[in-house]
Amino acid sequence: EPEVTQTPSHQVTQMGQEVILRCVPISNHLYFYWYRQILGQKVEFLVSFYNNEISEKSEIFDDQFSVERPDGSNFTLKIRSTKLEDSAMYFCASRIQWGSQSEQYFGPGTRLTVT
Amino acid sequence: ILNVEQSPQSLHVQEGDSTNFTCSFPSSNFYALHWYRWETAKSPEALFVMTLNGDEKKKGRISATLNTKEGYSYLYIKGSQPEDSATYLCAFQNAGNMLTFGGGTRLMVKP
Repeated sequence: EPEVTQTPSHQVTQMGQEVILRCVPISNHLYFYWYRQILGQKVEFLVSFYNNEISEKSEIFDDQFSVERPDGSNFTLKIRSTKLEDSAMYFCASRIQWGSQSEQYFGPGTRLTVT
Repeated sequence: ILNVEQSPQSLHVQEGDSTNFTCSFPSSNFYALHWYRWETAKSPEALFVMTLNGDEKKKGRISATLNTKEGYSYLYIKGSQPEDSATYLCAFQNAGNMLTFGGGTRLMVKP
């Protein structure tokens, strides 16, 4: 069964460094998402992406964050200058259709640790 | 800020017990309610997407109901097995497509 994959599974970085988290969504899906979960808190929406544009973003998704689909398969989340509070599990998700009641399929997550 | 709450936070049951837990969500601007099953170190797995008031969906021993007027959904597991041990997440979807998650119910089934 097709699945969303994410790399790396764990990333450790120093405060102020840039990180890029990578996702490969399911191949025929058109809508892509990033969520995060800070330890002990709820999963939070960051951004949705379609047709090479951001569709929606939350207040968390400030100028330090950016997303890109550099080729036909990868979907990336970049954090320009990481802060300690960016430490979290980051999940990528994809879905086939916008606005329909279809599932969002999640990847296994990347654990980001900022020291 | 949308408030999606799940209860209980955690639950220990014996193998063979049936169990249920609750998700409450805003009753306005409802589009869909999603249930996920999440095992540690794995991807959250979609269980159900529920859209209509009074909906009831079933997958094997797991079923879910939906009440959009009062803003709650129940997830039921019949005859729990150790492999059902996981965190069960619900997520509220408005027309904007983003999911707002509850805090999850962590289920542990003892053999």
